[in-house]
Amino acid sequence: DGGITQSPKYLFRKEGQNVTLSCEQNLNHDAMYWYRQDPGQGLRLIYYSQIVNDFQKGDIAEGYSVSREKKESFPLTVTSAQKNPTAFYLCASTSGRAPAYEQYFGPGTRLTVT
Amino acid sequence: GDSVTQMEGPVTLSEEAFLTINCTYTATGYPSLFWYVQYPGEGLQLLLKATKADDKGSNKGFEATYRKETTSFHLEKGSVQVSDSAVYFCALRKNYGGSQGNLIFGKGTKLSVKP
Repeated sequence: DGGITQSPKYLFRKEGQNVTLSCEQNLNHDAMYWYRQDPGQGLRLIYYSQIVNDFQKGDIAEGYSVSREKKESFPLTVTSAQKNPTAFYLCASTSGRAPAYEQYFGPGTRLTVT
Repeated sequence: GDSVTQMEGPVTLSEEAFLTINCTYTATGYPSLFWYVQYPGEGLQLLLKATKADDKGSNKGFEATYRKETTSFHLEKGSVQVSDSAVYFCALRKNYGGSQGNLIFGKGTKLSVKP
């Protein structure tokens, strides 16, 4: 079955540590996205990549970094510079630029930093 | 800039009641419009979509019509079930510029349906 895999589902880290969240897709999609979800805030775009070896900052990129070395993979690193990293993180992908193409979402990773 | 505004929740209904969740948008050009649903602890699933004015998206008894004159995309269902309890997100897709393909989301509306 094609889809998006995010691992792990729950992640716990101590303050001051960097942590990398995994996102893998086997949908052969070109574009991939990372969102952050906080209660009552909807989804906010962190980074996106429309093609391998290229990525762009979203609305809340500070304290995060990404890489896109393979089409299937778009890992997100939450650095110690992120002031409030505890949140639910969602990865998504889409196959093309036409108006009808929706984004497909992974199951999410809940990160708790204490 | 582009934005989506949807009614705040939570919304609590009895089973078989009529559901409306309002969504309005501000956008340059001709965005596509989407409704996504999120069940507890899960990612988002596409519920329905519309890509041009007067298009009606429908799925699982839910409907929404792309109204350009009122910049709205309200979600409706004639008879809700307990299994419809979830958070619903309205979103627009930018169809122009360097960030073409990006989605802008509303803040979500939590729906609880009581038996």
